[in-house]
Amino acid sequence: AQKVTQAQTEISVVEKEDVTLDCVYETRDTTYYLFWYKQPPSGELVFLIRRNSFDEQNEISGRYSWNFQKSTSSFNFTITASQVVDSAVYFCAHPRGNTDKLIFGTGTRLQVFP
Amino acid sequence: DGGITQSPKYLFRKEGQNVTLSCEQNLNHDAMYWYRQDPGQGLRLIYYSQIVNDFQKGDIAEGYSVSREKKESFPLTVTSAQKNPTAFYLCASSMREQTGELFFGEGSRLTVL
Repeated sequence: AQKVTQAQTEISVVEKEDVTLDCVYETRDTTYYLFWYKQPPSGELVFLIRRNSFDEQNEISGRYSWNFQKSTSSFNFTITASQVVDSAVYFCAHPRGNTDKLIFGTGTRLQVFP
Repeated sequence: DGGITQSPKYLFRKEGQNVTLSCEQNLNHDAMYWYRQDPGQGLRLIYYSQIVNDFQKGDIAEGYSVSREKKESFPLTVTSAQKNPTAFYLCASSMREQTGELFFGEGSRLTVL
């Protein structure tokens, strides 16, 4: 069955610390996408990144980076030098088949303290 | 500004009453979705629609109904048949060819008293 697991329910860090959010997925598809979304306190989810299973290169965008490892079915998200504004719930997601119907993990709540 | 508007933001309902949550988008997206969010359970898909006048059940459609009469609108009705309706409801949309990149509204929090 297709599934996304985010084992970390809540993480607390102090500003400027680096933090990694884990995501493990299960899929029957040979090619697939993986996603990360951010849910700030305002409630709406914001798209952060989409990765194709063909591309295993790590991706960096400012303080954000993503490590995709097919061998361990993981798609981890690292925030470098965290800031209070990074406080949010972060969701990893995977589409069901070749569709836009996303299967979400249970989310990791990140709290960054000043 | 382009985006998705959900209303109301907060809603209280007595048991046995139906309630309709509004979702409007001006992004010209073909596909629209309704998700339910409960603490510790992530998001679960209720209904989705890929095109006007067509919609399909998601994983937890029982006790809910939708309509898609216009491209920009996808209202969700929570009926009295839904046993545990208290939750946070999120509406989203996407262009059909953009797999998985969803745009979300700010959600509607429904509380049943």
